[in-house]
This record gives sequence, structure tokens and C-alpha cells, in this order.
Amino acid sequence: DVKVTQSSRYLVKRTGEKVFLECVQDMDHENMFWYRQDPGLGLRLIYFSYDVKMKEKGDIPEGYSVSREKKERFSLILESASTNQTSMYLCASSYRVYEQYFGPGTRLTVT
Amino acid sequence: RKEVEQDPGPFNVPEGATVAFNCTYSNSASQSFFWYRQDCRKEPKLLMSVYSSGNEDGRFTAQLNRASQYISLLIRDSKLSDSATYLCVVPSGNTPLVFGKGTRLSVIA
Repeated sequence: DVKVTQSSRYLVKRTGEKVFLECVQDMDHENMFWYRQDPGLGLRLIYFSYDVKMKEKGDIPEGYSVSREKKERFSLILESASTNQTSMYLCASSYRVYEQYFGPGTRLTVT
Repeated sequence: RKEVEQDPGPFNVPEGATVAFNCTYSNSASQSFFWYRQDCRKEPKLLMSVYSSGNEDGRFTAQLNRASQYISLLIRDSKLSDSATYLCVVPSGNTPLVFGKGTRLSVIA
């Protein structure tokens, strides 16, 4: 079974804090993705990576950065958290781009 | 037209009913399409792929109407366990996949 794990299920941070969301997959997938999901807006792609050290901007990269130092790990960084970044964050990995396996999500609240 | 559009629902249907959802897309160059399923408070999971010839998997049938740029998902003999949000997904030129906002289905006993 493919397993994608995310470091926290729930996270509460203060405005201005630097936030790290970690994602690890155990299937040796090349492709990894970070999404946020908000009511009424659906899933939106923040960043993705097709290989180690490689990253591409998705639809809403502003306020975020990513790091992929190892194949199995893809980190999402909020340099200075803001209240409008309160959301559910979902990480996914895949061998084929369309068949993405998602982690359980991190519900981040920025106060 | 938005890249991927879905009726948000909810569709409330009795057990055993047949229900269908449509999803329209704007990128006429798209060749493949997908349906994901997301249970309440869970992560999305791939349900079916849709190619030009359509696809059938048990009670689920997905079809493509390229001329009108929509795909459909038909669920026959609905079960309580089919209650979920169904996400239409389309590859896009700039983004690997574009997810629709989803259609919520509630199957009632």
C-alpha cells in the first residue's frame, strides 16, 4: 500500500511565524505535490516537484516555498504565516501524474 | 469558462437509485480525464480514468463527450457507502492536474 504521511494533522501557529509542513512518501515516487483545500474553492496546487532538487510553481505559490532534498520528502514552508493561509494542506505523490496518492492532510490555523 | 466546472450539489438520492454528474472543461486539447472521490474529512482518492472510449467499473461508468467538452459519472444501484464528494480532474497546460470543486452525493436509506 502506498503511504503518504504528513507531519501533523492539526497545527496552530501565530501570524508571522515560520511554518514547516513535512510530507514523506514510501513508494519511491518521482512526483510530489502540495495543495491547499478551502470550502468553496476546492483543491488548489501550490507547488510540485518531478525530481529531487526540482520545484515548479503551481497556481497559488505566493507566500509559500518548498524544499525537496530527498526523493521521499517534500516540505512546504510558510515564510511568515498569515491568517489567510489558514487552510487544509494536502500533500500527494505519484508515479503517473494523474494517479496521485494523498496524505491525510494538515489542518493549519493561523491566529 | 472556468477550467473545470461541476455542480456542487448536494445530490440526495435513495439507496438503489441511479445518479449522474457532469463536469465541463475548457481545455479542448485535454486527452484524458479523471474522477476522484473524497469522503468526508478524508483525502481524495482516484476513482476512475476517462478516455475517449469511456470507462466502466462495476456500478460506475464514466463517459466523455468531447464535442460538448464534458465528462460524466454515472453510479447505478447507489449504496450508502457511495456518499462522498466526487472531484472531476483535468490535466492542464500549465498545471499537472486541475481539480474541480466537487459534487457532493448523499445516498439516503
